Amino acid sequence: DAGITQSPRHKVTETGTPVTLRCHQTENHRYMYWYRQDPGHGLRLIHYSYGVKDTDKGEVSDGYSVSRSKTEDFLLTLESATSSQTSVYFCAISDEGDTEAFFGQGTRLTVV
Amino acid sequence: AQSVTQPDIHITVSEGASLELRCNYSYGATPYLFWYVQSPGQGLQLLLKYFSGDTLVQGIKGFEAEFKRSQSSFNLRKPSVHWSDAAEYFCAVGILTGGGNKLTFGTGTQLKVEL
Repeated sequence: DAGITQSPRHKVTETGTPVTLRCHQTENHRYMYWYRQDPGHGLRLIHYSYGVKDTDKGEVSDGYSVSRSKTEDFLLTLESATSSQTSVYFCAISDEGDTEAFFGQGTRLTVV
Repeated sequence: AQSVTQPDIHITVSEGASLELRCNYSYGATPYLFWYVQSPGQGLQLLLKYFSGDTLVQGIKGFEAEFKRSQSSFNLRKPSVHWSDAAEYFCAVGILTGGGNKLTFGTGTQLKVEL
């Protein structure tokens, strides 16, 4: 399995609080991604990174920000969590010229 | 923009029966196509991928898929299903750009296997 660790694996938070999810990789891959998975929608891309300090928006980026200060870590922040952000969040990585993306185990976030 | 359609939300098959999961895509160029499988509470595992060459691709766990450009389809097949194949299956189209391999997923097909 690709060395991808997501933390925490489960989190319950209250509406309006900030939340940060962490993705850590040991593969030294260049690209990292955050997806959210919701019933009836499959997985949708939130943000991605193509290098340290280089990030861009995906399909559903509103309400989310990201940061990547080191190759191995990609952080997803919900500045003020809302119930619509209750979801399962997946981190993925891929490398130069690599057609395959490897996924982490996911983080289940519940906003109450 | 690219899109992926998986028309079957749920499929039930008997163990030992054959399986075909449908996937249609919309993309302006030759796509990179993928099938992933997700077991409950787990991440996604790549079953197979297509990006050029032979249109019939073989994957892990006895799965195969056929790319049909004329039908914009990439259906997943398995000749004999095992109970352990029960899971959710996702078809995806990928775009390789300066931003890596960004995937657009279908909504998934939940496979149930009856013993």
